Amino acid sequence: EVQLLESGGGLVQPGGSLRLSCAASGFTFSSHVMSWVRQAPGKGLEWVSGISGSGGSTYYADSVKGRFTISRDNSKNTVYLQINSLRVEDTAVYYCARRTAVTWAYFDYWGQGTLVTVSS
Amino acid sequence: DIQMTQSPSSLSASVGDRVTITCRASQSISSYLNWYQQRPGKAPKLLIYAASSLQSGVPSRFSGSGSGTDFTLTISGLQPGDFAAYYCQQSYTTPHSFGQGTKLEIK
Repeated sequence: EVQLLESGGGLVQPGGSLRLSCAASGFTFSSHVMSWVRQAPGKGLEWVSGISGSGGSTYYADSVKGRFTISRDNSKNTVYLQINSLRVEDTAVYYCARRTAVTWAYFDYWGQGTLVTVSS
Repeated sequence: DIQMTQSPSSLSASVGDRVTITCRASQSISSYLNWYQQRPGKAPKLLIYAASSLQSGVPSRFSGSGSGTDFTLTISGLQPGDFAAYYCQQSYTTPHSFGQGTKLEIK
């Protein structure tokens, strides 16, 4: 059974940092692009970042470029999101999602999310 | 970046109704269009991929169509569990942008 389990969220002051983790199981982790998607309270979904199976390619939304860093450890089946210089507007539930390993890219499995709250 | 625009933003309907949600891309995305359902407090769930392919386990009352820039999600015979938020997403290129969402409410 495919499972994605996020952790690392919490309350942090503006300007602070956090590292989110997403532990994967039940599939060949290194074969899949992994992504982070966030959702601010009462708002819609926003794709944030993605990383190739090997970790050699990374992708970011303009809104987070330069502040967020995605990485993965295929030996630990875990993807990370390092979030620096946090802003109030980064407050959101952060989901990790698995992208299919086929031509039509879509997110077929999602974690339950981890809440990041940025407030003084 | 590709912008995705959904309409309507909210929709009221009754159990048994047929509803249609539309999604428009700011440029052609071929059939790289996915639909997700999100119930309150839950993670999104994939319904439709590649514009019209039904994800395994999703009831056949959900269907998708379109290509290029214009897409639709149709739900036939609404069930109580279908009242949720729906999002389209393009996977043609990064950033894999989502539409703003459509909230489907019980009339």
